[in-house]
Amino acid sequence: RKEVEQDPGPFNVPEGATVAFNCTYSNSASQSFFWYRQDCRKEPKLLMSVYSSGNEDGRFTAQLNRASQYISLLIRDSKLSDSATYLCVVNNQGGKLIFGQGTELSVKP
Amino acid sequence: EPEVTQTPSHQVTQMGQEVILRCVPISNHLYFYWYRQILGQKVEFLVSFYNNEISEKSEIFDDQFSVERPDGSNFTLKIRSTKLEDSAMYFCASSERGALEQFFGPGTRLTVL
Repeated sequence: RKEVEQDPGPFNVPEGATVAFNCTYSNSASQSFFWYRQDCRKEPKLLMSVYSSGNEDGRFTAQLNRASQYISLLIRDSKLSDSATYLCVVNNQGGKLIFGQGTELSVKP
Repeated sequence: EPEVTQTPSHQVTQMGQEVILRCVPISNHLYFYWYRQILGQKVEFLVSFYNNEISEKSEIFDDQFSVERPDGSNFTLKIRSTKLEDSAMYFCASSERGALEQFFGPGTRLTVL
């Protein structure tokens, strides 16, 4: 089983759509969880940390279910500028980040 | 807003040559990392560095790789004898503490011919 597994994508959605990304992780001892976005040939940029209680930042909502080892990201009212690859990232212990393969999102006018 | 910087942005080298990739982490951060991303693949952890020593390294980080913090600001990754398969994007990252968010530099694209 992959350490971090994401929906394979790509997702092609119209502007204004709501899109959800799913992610599962294999190590139940994982400590911290993040969503990063990566534009083509650029560095991963932190989108948001994910907390057990769930958290929201504007149009973005992240959820964590430790029992199911499942993380999600919801984007509401998607914009053209949301087009990117979304990376589910897990920190097991210490600092090592483990990345999922990423899910590509393309928002069309 | 403080950011991680990396130089050079692109390095082309011949197989067997040594390369040094440079990074300047965010100034109040204490933990430093190198990752790499081969084209079309996921980002992979190479090494973490804290308190002037390696705290963890991956299987990729073999004897050909080394890291150093030569002064109070720079953090370097050296590849002693490059191989074709070392061609990748190398990202430096830093964080205030080990389990906190990491911030990535823009990367160095290494091409080994």
